[in-house]
Amino acid sequence: GAVVSQHPSRVICKSGTSVKIECRSLDFQATTMFWYRQFPKQSLMLMATSNEGSKATYEQGVEKDKFLINHASLTLSTLTVTSAHPEDSSFYICSARGGGRGEQYFGPGTRLTVT
Amino acid sequence: GQQLNQSPQSMFIQEGEDVSMNCTSSSIFNTWLWYKQDPGEGPVLLIALYKAGELTSNGRLTAQFGITRKDSFLNISASIPSDVGIYFCAGRNLLGNTPLVFGKGTRLSVIA
Repeated sequence: GAVVSQHPSRVICKSGTSVKIECRSLDFQATTMFWYRQFPKQSLMLMATSNEGSKATYEQGVEKDKFLINHASLTLSTLTVTSAHPEDSSFYICSARGGGRGEQYFGPGTRLTVT
Repeated sequence: GQQLNQSPQSMFIQEGEDVSMNCTSSSIFNTWLWYKQDPGEGPVLLIALYKAGELTSNGRLTAQFGITRKDSFLNISASIPSDVGIYFCAGRNLLGNTPLVFGKGTRLSVIA
């Protein structure tokens, strides 16, 4: 199956700093990438949808100036959490859609801890 | 946002037993997907369904796309300890770049 990588897998940062998370589709071109956030024992919460070369579409309640998304190529999207606070601590998962029938594949996730 | 109704929420079964879980929606979907998530990992795609009535297998897993397009089920036969995890259904109701709608997950525990 298609492979999506995510980096870093785990990051600890101080409050007020910014963190960048990379998502790459390794063996296919992703027309669309999605960013999710997941709290313990809960389902995935969609944060934003991004298409290569255009601005991301954010879900209601997600601050676009805080969660900056860049989708510079068909294989790379980045999520930058700006001025992180402890409440931003979460599991962030990216997903890429591609392939013949538009299947959606997930990265392994990034555990963000803000101290 | 919109969510699917996935049941059961959790299951405890003996190794070797069969498992069944399902998802229902108030709206029609054109695609149903089933994922499994292990702790600390991203979801892994198990089965994708694209046509009403479609029945698809992947090893011990079998999933069906309901005729009404509003439901899907996933069966796991002869469960083994590594089946432990959270299973999510997901649906998409339009072609194009619409996001998936996820169920809340079924947490499966297998007792050896």
